[in-house]
Amino acid sequence: DAGVTQSPTHLIKTRGQQVTLRCSPKSGHDTVSWYQQALGQGPQFIFQYYEEEERQRGNFPDRFSGHQFPNYSSELNVNALLLGDSALYLCASSYGTGRYKLFFGSGTQLSVL
Amino acid sequence: AQKVTQAQTEISVVEKEDVTLDCVYETRDTTYYLFWYKQPPSGELVFLIRRNSFDEQNEISGRYSWNFQKSTSSFNFTITASQVVDSAVYFCALGGANSKLTFGKGITLSVRP
Repeated sequence: DAGVTQSPTHLIKTRGQQVTLRCSPKSGHDTVSWYQQALGQGPQFIFQYYEEEERQRGNFPDRFSGHQFPNYSSELNVNALLLGDSALYLCASSYGTGRYKLFFGSGTQLSVL
Repeated sequence: AQKVTQAQTEISVVEKEDVTLDCVYETRDTTYYLFWYKQPPSGELVFLIRRNSFDEQNEISGRYSWNFQKSTSSFNFTITASQVVDSAVYFCALGGANSKLTFGKGITLSVRP
């Protein structure tokens, strides 16, 4: 049983560019959440997708957007990259929005130069 | 707003010692959930334990235990007989009525042989 998979594992971009990160949830899970983890900090909630809609959003600008597909996989898009967007981006999946059995992927390390 | 404080930043112990990681939380929710996650160098957040505020339902694994005190809003985590493989960053997290988690800044635990 595959867990949460994220791609790519590492990514290097320059300021102003756009990036797309991908997440496949654990089998049987229908909810995907995205977190940003800056170096030396705890993860911060970006948003959550359920039934192909954004259900909750953290304190992140509109440059951060997402999508969930019918197969429950998800994408995180970041436009107009800033140096401060450099971080580990973690995807977590669960069954249902109110359930707390979250499983995390290994993340995508984004470096913005 | 929810907040998690992990006052300890780094802890170093010798193998087989017991170690306690401290966590203090703030929330206005009457129903909430508290977690401990482990993050090894690979980056993936590994679920360790969960405590519900309203009942005794919880999950525990072998050498792990916790001390949940509502009166002091603390949720401390203890590893008994630590092992080198326990070396990682440990995060305390708080969840409210939805599955959004608020994390602390993490504690780096080093277990020396």
